[in-house]
Formats: sequence, structure tokens, C-alpha cells
Amino acid sequence: LAKTTQPISMDSYEGQEVNITCSHNNIATNDYITWYQQFPSQGPRFIIQGYKTKVTNEVASLFIPADRKSSTLSLPRVSLSDTAVYYCLVGRYGGATNKLIFGTGTLLAVQP
Amino acid sequence: GAGVSQSPRYKVAKRGQDVALRCDPISGHVSLFWYQQALGQGPEFLTYFQNEAQLDKSGLPSDRFFAERPEGSVSTLKIQRTQQEDSAVYLCASSLGRVTNTGELFFGEGSRLTVL
Repeated sequence: LAKTTQPISMDSYEGQEVNITCSHNNIATNDYITWYQQFPSQGPRFIIQGYKTKVTNEVASLFIPADRKSSTLSLPRVSLSDTAVYYCLVGRYGGATNKLIFGTGTLLAVQP
Repeated sequence: GAGVSQSPRYKVAKRGQDVALRCDPISGHVSLFWYQQALGQGPEFLTYFQNEAQLDKSGLPSDRFFAERPEGSVSTLKIQRTQQEDSAVYLCASSLGRVTNTGELFFGEGSRLTVL
């Protein structure tokens, strides 16, 4: 099962771009990479998902190199409300293996 | 409802008591997951249902933990003879897909269990 490793915490200021990298050396061929955001006292919320290269949506971009052993979540121009824990998730479900494993999470603190 | 609903939001139990935590997934969602999140940690997988079938329960920490989804919609996580180490937030998530590598998980707000 693919295990993920992320920085425990990061600091940033409003308006800056933030890049959070996740390592997943044992990612399997069929695994997708998904990032979730979690605020205190709430469940995680989906941010973005990708398989390879680059994916962009209205809130973030996800960069995945060719070997897929890592991925980088990019948050453009962060605001105070982006202060949260960000989790990198690698896995699949529906068959014999159903664990979608969360990493340790990265606590992003955005300051004014 | 529009989202995943969990109840109770907060539960305080004395050590040795049994507790039951309920999850109402989004209507029509086939897949349902239970996760356990200790304070300051990431969610840890407990079990997975595809409709009413419990396909994976390998994450359940002991035989005191039991989960069911008898009609393929509402699910209940039961913890017997609670111990202090069971104190955590229990998260339920559902997803539309059945057999897939993708698909967004929709999480509830969790049930916070405190065992005294």
C-alpha cells in the first residue's frame, strides 16, 4: 500500500503562492493522487485529483512528475481562510484493497 | 440531505459502555467508508462498504468494533466495551462510485467520542 510523506507544517503570507509536496514512492499503477483540506471540527474536503502531469481547477493545481513518486499541490494567492490541514491521499477502492490512506497532513498557517 | 450526516456529533461514554455512531450517506452513493481520527493525526481507515457488503474491515482495531450497513444506505459503527484509547473523531465518507480509482469522497463532520 502506498504510504505518503508530507511536511508537518508550512507558513505563508496572504497573497503568496504555496506549494506542498507529497512523497509516495510505492504508488501503484492504478492509484490516483487526491488532496483534501480539513478545517478544525470538520471532515476533510476534496480539493483536487490527478493521475499524471498537471491538473488545474478553480482552487488549485496539482503537479505530478512522470515517475509519479511525488506530487505537488499548488495554491495560488492564499488567504487567511486557507489556513487548514492539507492531506495527500493515494489509493483505490472497490476491489480487494480498499484502503485510501491519508498522509500525516501538512498544517498550513497563513498570516496577514 | 445534501451532504453526509453523522450523529451524534458528540458522545461522552464511561469506560466499558457500548456506543453506536450513525452515518447517513448522500443518497445513491454506493461506497461508504469509516475513518478514525485521533487528535492531531490524519484519518485512519477502519472499514469500507459497497452497498450493503462490507468488503474490507481490515482497519478495525479490535473485535470490539463492528460496522454494518444492512440496506446499503445508513451505516452504524458500534464500539463495545469502550476504552479510553477509543477516544477520537469517527468520520464517515461516501462516494458515488463502486469500483473505481477515482471519485471524490464526501465526508461528514464526524462524531467526537470521548471515553472517560
